[in-house]
Amino acid sequence: EAGVAQSPRYKIIEKRQSVAFWCNPISGHATLYWYQQILGQGPKLLIQFQNNGVVDDSQLPKDRFSAERLKGVDSTLKIQPAKLEDSAVYLCASSRKISGFSYNEQFFGPGTRLTVL
Amino acid sequence: QKEVEQDPGPLSVPEGAIVSLNCTYSNSAFQYFMWYRQYSRKGPELLMYTYSSGNKEDGRFTAQVDKSSKYISLFIRDSQPSDSATYLCAMEPIYSGAGSYQLTFGKGTKLSVIP
Repeated sequence: EAGVAQSPRYKIIEKRQSVAFWCNPISGHATLYWYQQILGQGPKLLIQFQNNGVVDDSQLPKDRFSAERLKGVDSTLKIQPAKLEDSAVYLCASSRKISGFSYNEQFFGPGTRLTVL
Repeated sequence: QKEVEQDPGPLSVPEGAIVSLNCTYSNSAFQYFMWYRQYSRKGPELLMYTYSSGNKEDGRFTAQVDKSSKYISLFIRDSQPSDSATYLCAMEPIYSGAGSYQLTFGKGTKLSVIP
């Protein structure tokens, strides 16, 4: 089974520029997550999709971050305009559809390392 | 006080040592407790998960949960250089039916096992 794919792996931009990240989840996984991991911190959830609908975006800075998951498969996360504090690794994860049980293993991609200068 | 506290280390041990990694938490709603391993420049991968209090063993790894103390541990026996990584604890409350499964992670402990 192929894992979660992400691209690009690395990105360097100037502040105030825009950037987009792409994620392809594991085939058949209905739930997709985007996390932000700042150096020395644990991942923080930005947004969760169930199929192509948003389940939780309470921690997404909506003035500059946006995400979409068209057709319930691939997803893109965009930052516009970027700030210095957005420098982090952006992780995508996916899991199977929830059936009422809480525990639900999330499989992570390798992440995109963003540096904002 | 953060919901999940984890000593970031770094922790350096000789090969063959027993390693103890710990997290404390404040949210009583947490019911699922996970340990993830993250190698440098990779995404986290699930190592073990436990539900509620008790111990769970998988090979050289033992996860322990003490809900009365709000304290979880991961023990690694006969540590190997290949165990060198950052270990993240993560926790999740019981599914509320609202559709959101928010994992709360600790900061991670960076472990180095020296040959």
